[in-house]
Amino acid sequence: SYELTQPPSVSVSPGQTARITCSGETLSKRYAYWYQQKSGQAPVLVISDDTIRPSGIPERFSGSNSGTTATLTISGAQVEDEADYFCYSTDNNVNDLHLVFGGGTRLTVL
Amino acid sequence: EVQIVESGGGLVQPGGSLRLSCGASGFNFSSFAMSWVRQTPGKGLEWVAGVSGSGGRQYYADSVKGRFTISRANSKNTVDLQMTSLTVEDTAVYYCARSPHLVPDYWGQGTLVAVSS
Repeated sequence: SYELTQPPSVSVSPGQTARITCSGETLSKRYAYWYQQKSGQAPVLVISDDTIRPSGIPERFSGSNSGTTATLTISGAQVEDEADYFCYSTDNNVNDLHLVFGGGTRLTVL
Repeated sequence: EVQIVESGGGLVQPGGSLRLSCGASGFNFSSFAMSWVRQTPGKGLEWVAGVSGSGGRQYYADSVKGRFTISRANSKNTVDLQMTSLTVEDTAVYYCARSPHLVPDYWGQGTLVAVSS
């Protein structure tokens, strides 16, 4: 099935490491992408191709993908990192196309 | 600087139609695929439709196939989403996004579509 599963919420104290997981069968074959969405704003791409930080994204954001689980890690989370985080992956071939977002994880930093 | 601006949202009755438009600047528009992604209030994101840089290939989510049509005008740096046979389940904020390899990287601020009688 083409589904990506995320925990609904993760909570950490400022300065701690936050880890958000994304599980799905397609992740064993495809890249994972991560988006940050703060309240009332559009999503922002924070991790591309499993591990790549786009320009302007702080170094504390990192990503990994192992087997069927991708992980977004925020090392030394800050209050301004409080947001919803969504994973995304693609699974396309000649006969079919699946572009799927995870359900999202609310990160609380307090 | 990449800028993407959506327009055309509003209130429409079930069964009605609406056309969304997206203008883009700050990059070589015809070199990038573009997508529409929607977000139900308080809920998650759903990829809706995509179009290749040339406009020659269109892609749709199963939930909108046969009802929505995506198109682009590279001479105007615009991409449109024609929506027909709308239902209450189509109520959402619709985002336009630059989408190399159908991966959204830059997003607009969204336009709200409300389907209600």
